[in-house]
Amino acid sequence: EIVLTQSPGTLSLSPGERATLSCRASQSVSSNYLAWYQQKPGQAPRLLIYGTVSRATGIPDRFSGSGSETDFTLTISRLEPEDFAVYYCQQYGNSPLTFGGGTKVEIK
Amino acid sequence: QVQLVQSGAEVKKPGASLKVSCKASGYTFTDNHIHWVRQAPGQGLEWMGTVNPSGGYTTYAQKFQGRVTMTSDTPTLTVYMDLSSLRSEDTAVYYCARGFTGGIRDLFDSWGQGTLVTVSS
Repeated sequence: EIVLTQSPGTLSLSPGERATLSCRASQSVSSNYLAWYQQKPGQAPRLLIYGTVSRATGIPDRFSGSGSETDFTLTISRLEPEDFAVYYCQQYGNSPLTFGGGTKVEIK
Repeated sequence: QVQLVQSGAEVKKPGASLKVSCKASGYTFTDNHIHWVRQAPGQGLEWMGTVNPSGGYTTYAQKFQGRVTMTSDTPTLTVYMDLSSLRSEDTAVYYCARGFTGGIRDLFDSWGQGTLVTVSS
């Protein structure tokens, strides 16, 4: 099983700042099949990024993904008020599908 | 638009069984797997398994093998997840989610609203 470790656990930033979230895999993620989701309290997760770098439909371009093999990054270029949430990475290259523990982006 | 609507919250006693439904609309039901993901209170996301509505084939996470059954009913466009021998650790929000690419190993582009299941004596 691929273990995904997200860091930091919590990121305290102000609107307009840049957010950089890390997701590290215990082994290489096949075909860079790595996705990112955003989850707000009381809501289901929402797909942001898939295939490491591709934005899902309707996702603004301030969200970008990068990385390869075992190290992946989600960058939010300028935080908007609605971006404060928890973010999860997920690998879908190997079974079982696994998620990281999440990074909470909170208002400083 | 794609929509997944789940059944309502449940309270169960330890040892009981659970059945959660997920009704799909807005796309061709048999084109995409439906996956089940759960989230314990204040915790992260955990994949439980998947069912292919075209044929009913299933793949389960090893952790849930023998305790979970996922089925689909094409005429009603509904997928079901049964979980038996419930224990307190099964208290969680259970989500159904549509697989994006159509394979077993997949990401999730649409999610149900979640079903809160509480296991308590």
